[in-house]
Amino acid sequence: DIQMTQSPSSVSASVGDRVTITCRASQGISSWLAWYQQKPGKAPKLLIYAASSLQSGVPSRFSGSGSGTDFTLTISSLQPEDFATYYCQQANSFPQVTFGGGTKVEIK
Amino acid sequence: QLQLQESGPGLVKPSETLSLTCTVSGGSISSSSYYWGWIRQPPGKGLEWIGSIYYSGSTYYNPSLKSRVTISVDTSKNQFSLKLSSVTAADTAVYYCARQLVVVAATIYWGQGTLVTVSS
Repeated sequence: DIQMTQSPSSVSASVGDRVTITCRASQGISSWLAWYQQKPGKAPKLLIYAASSLQSGVPSRFSGSGSGTDFTLTISSLQPEDFATYYCQQANSFPQVTFGGGTKVEIK
Repeated sequence: QLQLQESGPGLVKPSETLSLTCTVSGGSISSSSYYWGWIRQPPGKGLEWIGSIYYSGSTYYNPSLKSRVTISVDTSKNQFSLKLSSVTAADTAVYYCARQLVVVAATIYWGQGTLVTVSS
């Protein structure tokens, strides 16, 4: 099974900061990587698919990059509504998927 | 507007079978473009994929849960269902049903989630 390791597990940041979250796969997954945002009490929301493609309606301050085993999610200028938990998800054997452990973005 | 709604008991006794149904409205479950999946999240923890089903009935399960999971589809009712047997407290979680889009290999639509507690 492919394991996904996210880091950091939490990050404290201020509005306007640039935030980067990383995700590492235990084996190569090409570009089969998605990123989700989850707010308390809500279902996750898809931000990025295929490692770098922005889901429709998602602000352009979100971007994704990487391929193979190492991936990043970047929020270029953190906004108040971005404080949430972010998950990566590999889909190399879709529909079988595996999620990373999550990164909580907190207010500094 | 597509909507997915989970339904089923919120409390299940240890060793019994957890049963949930997801009703899909605003779209057909009989589409070659999607898989229909179940994902869970224990309180305060991360997401775990349980399994998925294609409209044809083909199923895919998380290896760690495979021996206890059954997912089925009823295209006439536009529903799919989850059964998880021999539950323990570790199965306490919010259970989400979801639509997975094949072309992007990601989950676009999620139900609101339903909390299932395993307790005597």
